[in-house]
Amino acid sequence: GQQLNQSPQSMFIQEGEDVSMNCTSSSIFNTWLWYKQDPGEGPVLLIALYKAGELTSNGRLTAQFGITRKDSFLNISASIPSDVGIYFCAGLRTSGTYKYIFGTGTRLKVLA
Amino acid sequence: GAVVSQHPSWVICKSGTSVKIECRSLDFQATTMFWYRQFPKQSLMLMATSNEGSKATYEQGVEKDKFLINHASLTLSTLTVTSAHPEDSSFYICSARDGGLLNEQFFGPGTRLTVL
Repeated sequence: GQQLNQSPQSMFIQEGEDVSMNCTSSSIFNTWLWYKQDPGEGPVLLIALYKAGELTSNGRLTAQFGITRKDSFLNISASIPSDVGIYFCAGLRTSGTYKYIFGTGTRLKVLA
Repeated sequence: GAVVSQHPSWVICKSGTSVKIECRSLDFQATTMFWYRQFPKQSLMLMATSNEGSKATYEQGVEKDKFLINHASLTLSTLTVTSAHPEDSSFYICSARDGGLLNEQFFGPGTRLTVL
């Protein structure tokens, strides 16, 4: 099935550093969601974006809905060891069948 | 709020048997539930979309007779893997969409299926 492109695919960073990852699509979405998944668990919703250009924060996390509605980025400031995990973006498609399209994921590893 | 549970969290079965996985929205009514499959180190792949009281919509390449989905109420959807084989071993995750105005979906904790 279709997937959104996320970059980077994986990254190692030092504790305290800021992290940035993005998600791009060839088609337009009206809603973007960002999730974090820990090993062996289901994804947990971090941030939801509903309007083009919207910038939303959740603690140390900030995400933006791209103006073109074809991309989104997620920033994590002052990373800590518990930020380790896989981050997924998801775009909501409402034309035709209502469903979420997921990104390929960004695996984050934080070095203490 | 917005809690989704899955049961069982893991299951091991013999080849040829059927396995049922339950997905429940605990504190909201889910008009739509989704079933995903995830292989190690890969993203989530949507298998089917389930609306309460109607037949599920399966993604291309997903066998509807193999993966039976029932969404009998606004808080419960079930996925039955029929005549399971080792290649069906995977992590199965359900999610539920809040029927309110927000387009957010909330995931269950997942079910690890191992078919021997």
